[in-house]
Amino acid sequence: DTGVSQDPRHKITKRGQNVTFRCDPISEHNRLYWYRQTLGQGPEFLTYFQNEAQLEKSRLLSDRFSAERPKGSFSTLEIQRTEQGDSAMYLCASSPKTGSYEQYFGPGTRLTVT
Amino acid sequence: RKEVEQDPGPFNVPEGATVAFNCTYSNSASQSFFWYRQDCRKEPKLLMSVYSSGNEDGRFTAQLNRASQYISLLIRDSKLSDSATYLCVVSRSGGYNKLIFGAGTRLAVHP
Repeated sequence: DTGVSQDPRHKITKRGQNVTFRCDPISEHNRLYWYRQTLGQGPEFLTYFQNEAQLEKSRLLSDRFSAERPKGSFSTLEIQRTEQGDSAMYLCASSPKTGSYEQYFGPGTRLTVT
Repeated sequence: RKEVEQDPGPFNVPEGATVAFNCTYSNSASQSFFWYRQDCRKEPKLLMSVYSSGNEDGRFTAQLNRASQYISLLIRDSKLSDSATYLCVVSRSGGYNKLIFGAGTRLAVHP
């Protein structure tokens, strides 16, 4: 499968713990995005990378959230000191440098904070 | 007020029906427009881009009215497999930057 992959698919954690999610984009795509989706809502933008550079961050991305994309390949999203309000689906998407505007989404990581 | 607003759902229609979804966006700087489809507990997938001249893809027709900041999606001859949530999406810069999603409209097609 050459699509966007995310790991883990599900994560249950206790409030106050740190969690880290990984996203592997489609190999030739240099743009990578993180979104968060809660029940009954559309995805909300969190942050965007072009190669290894983080070019935009949403105000939703509090100081407990950090994202990296070392070497412009895979990306990680870390949430420190998780809160119940962090429970959501975290979606990663990638798109190519030129051509189609389409963003290809991964299957998401569902986070439940208890 | 949300930047992208959609019709509240759900829409329950019989097979073969024609159904229309509406969407409005508030930021006039929006440049690119899309409809995404999301099946239950799955990731969103691009259904079609929306152009000012209107565009059609099989049973699906999308329209854009920039003056009214209004986007529509028409589905003709609904199939059971069309049951999903349809997300109206805008982007401010050619689609390369962040996508701004509406909350989605759920469609249920029944036999």
